[in-house]
Amino acid sequence: NAGVTQTPKFRVLKTGQSMTLLCAQDMNHEYMYWYRQDPGMGLRLIHYSVGEGTTAKGEVPDGYNVSRLKKQNFLLGLESAAPSQTSVYFCASTSGRSNQPQHFGDGTRLSIL
Amino acid sequence: KQEVTQIPAALSVPEGENLVLNCSFTDSAIYNLQWFRQDPGKGLTSLLLIQSSQREQTSGRLNASLDKSSGRSTLYIAASQPGDSATYLCALISSGSARQLTFGSGTQLTVLP
Repeated sequence: NAGVTQTPKFRVLKTGQSMTLLCAQDMNHEYMYWYRQDPGMGLRLIHYSVGEGTTAKGEVPDGYNVSRLKKQNFLLGLESAAPSQTSVYFCASTSGRSNQPQHFGDGTRLSIL
Repeated sequence: KQEVTQIPAALSVPEGENLVLNCSFTDSAIYNLQWFRQDPGKGLTSLLLIQSSQREQTSGRLNASLDKSSGRSTLYIAASQPGDSATYLCALISSGSARQLTFGSGTQLTVLP
């Protein structure tokens, strides 16, 4: 019953460093999403994918890149980390059917110094 | 652009009380609506999902209703318990979208023993 797994769970970076967050789902879902959660701002969509090999920009895409080379994985990259990217990042997936919920991972807590 | 509002931002009630959490949205063309629970430092747990064609859903002590014409959803919690203390998030998928969720900012619930 793994569901949606995010790695790492915690990370501290220095300004300008790069890193990749990994999201893996074992439910054969077509749709995958990356959100960020900030105090007072709620959850906002960064990028999403509607299937293997596809990606699209969400509400706050600047400073991030994504890739979906395999259906089960969705990677979020920070090429040059900035303090404004300090946040909690959540990955989610869904089949897309109206009666099926989105499933969320436990989040990655990222601090940029 | 769809906007989701949750009022109140915080609520404190004594144990055993029945309570209602409110969610309002600006565009009635929705695909479905989900209520989530988030514990401090944790991920999101899906509580209930209401499809666009439905009026309500029930799970145990929880009942969620949907009124698209007025742009409102409510989450009713019966006989509240201290273990219900958490932040409750309302989120919806707009029709014609890539199934991404638009979130409210949440209601932080504290149930006092």
